[in-house]
Amino acid sequence: QVQLVQSGGEVKKPGASVKVSCKASGYTFNHHGITWVRQAPGQGLEWMGWVSAYNGDTRYAQKFQDRVTMTTETSTSTAYMELRSLRSDDTAIYYCARVFGWLIPSGGMDVWGQGTTVTVSS
Amino acid sequence: EIVLTQSPGTLSLSPGERATLSCRASQTVSSNYLAWYQQKPGQPPRLLLSGASSRATGIPDRFSGSGSGTDFTLTITRLEPGDSAVYYCQQYGNSPHIFGQGTRLEIK
Repeated sequence: QVQLVQSGGEVKKPGASVKVSCKASGYTFNHHGITWVRQAPGQGLEWMGWVSAYNGDTRYAQKFQDRVTMTTETSTSTAYMELRSLRSDDTAIYYCARVFGWLIPSGGMDVWGQGTTVTVSS
Repeated sequence: EIVLTQSPGTLSLSPGERATLSCRASQTVSSNYLAWYQQKPGQPPRLLLSGASSRATGIPDRFSGSGSGTDFTLTITRLEPGDSAVYYCQQYGNSPHIFGQGTRLEIK
């Protein structure tokens, strides 16, 4: 079946970096994009950005532009999201999700990973 | 950037009733690229509708979407206890693909 499986939870100190992986299976990886969304405790959903699994093009939310890198590795059907210079308010669940459209995101997010909890604490 | 405002913040209804959730955009949503998601506690969101009105795979026809431009509506008929959740709209016509703040639906 179509699924996205994310890496395990992480605990990081302020100023560190985290890299979350998202392994896809059950579909042709480079026919879709991957979006990353985060959700702080008790809060709503926040769109972080999108990466094309076809050509690696990215679109980032302005808020994260300087601190985030989203990549894909087609040989392993895996997407990655690295967030640098972590702060306590980066504590959240980070989700990857499949998006229709391989050159531009042109659909809703129809398959979601289980989420990765990232805790930033000194 | 587009801002999405959802109303009401919380909706409390009984089983069998109809729920009407609103999502208003600060600017026209390009190509009506508007999606709706349902999120239950401890779970990732679930796609209900995209393109404002097209149901995702496996979504029952009790869920329907309408609207265009800046005003969109999610309607859920014949409410069931399992419909208790937070519902989010999201526009994906222009970057950033902002979410609304969510509407909490409680089934009495």
